[in-house]
Amino acid sequence: ETGVTQTPRHLVMGMTNKKSLKCEQHLGHNAMYWYKQSAKKPLELMFVYNFKEQTENNSVPSRFSPECPNSSHLFLHLHTLQPEDSALYLCASSQDLLSGTQYFGPGTRLLVL
Amino acid sequence: GQNIDQPTEMTATEGAIVQINCTYQTSGFNGLFWYQQHAGEAPTFLSYNVLDGLEEKGRFSSFLSRSKGYSYLLLKELQMKDSASYLCAVRRGQAGTALIFGKGTTLSVSS
Repeated sequence: ETGVTQTPRHLVMGMTNKKSLKCEQHLGHNAMYWYKQSAKKPLELMFVYNFKEQTENNSVPSRFSPECPNSSHLFLHLHTLQPEDSALYLCASSQDLLSGTQYFGPGTRLLVL
Repeated sequence: GQNIDQPTEMTATEGAIVQINCTYQTSGFNGLFWYQQHAGEAPTFLSYNVLDGLEEKGRFSSFLSRSKGYSYLLLKELQMKDSASYLCAVRRGQAGTALIFGKGTTLSVSS
């Protein structure tokens, strides 16, 4: 256990569905991240939040919409996804942006049909 | 541009020593991380280097040469449970920038 939890662990959705991924960290960290991990590709940074404010959007399509209501919770809202969006979505947190180790949650395995 | 290279796959036997190399070219540098990821699980932190030299932590050691853009992870006394993917990641150090990851090296340990 790293202190970062994610739900659901597995998700299957159709291209017209709307779903949300949830991440919660119990480490008292101030920065939170969403990453996408596809087969045979490096972990790709999607979004960065620092003290609830979004500091980075790595050219992510608008069908992915993040939300950070407080420093402990991070959501990723999904709508009208494409099959190529099927991947493992990982949440991470760190004490702050420029220092501190990032700790990852177990991920949500997403399949878009 | 940003580029992090590491071998795709490596194999080794129990009890042996294996070295996983990582080379990087990034704009800015503020530390290099190694993570271990077992299949279907989250990456877990192994080591962090920001200054040149060797950092030792039990069976695992990590080395960094900033002038060469090079790091390696050394695993000693290999065990079957060390079979996993090993991810090299660089933090560039600019405000608002997170980690840049390599594709990972899949290590298979056999008996």
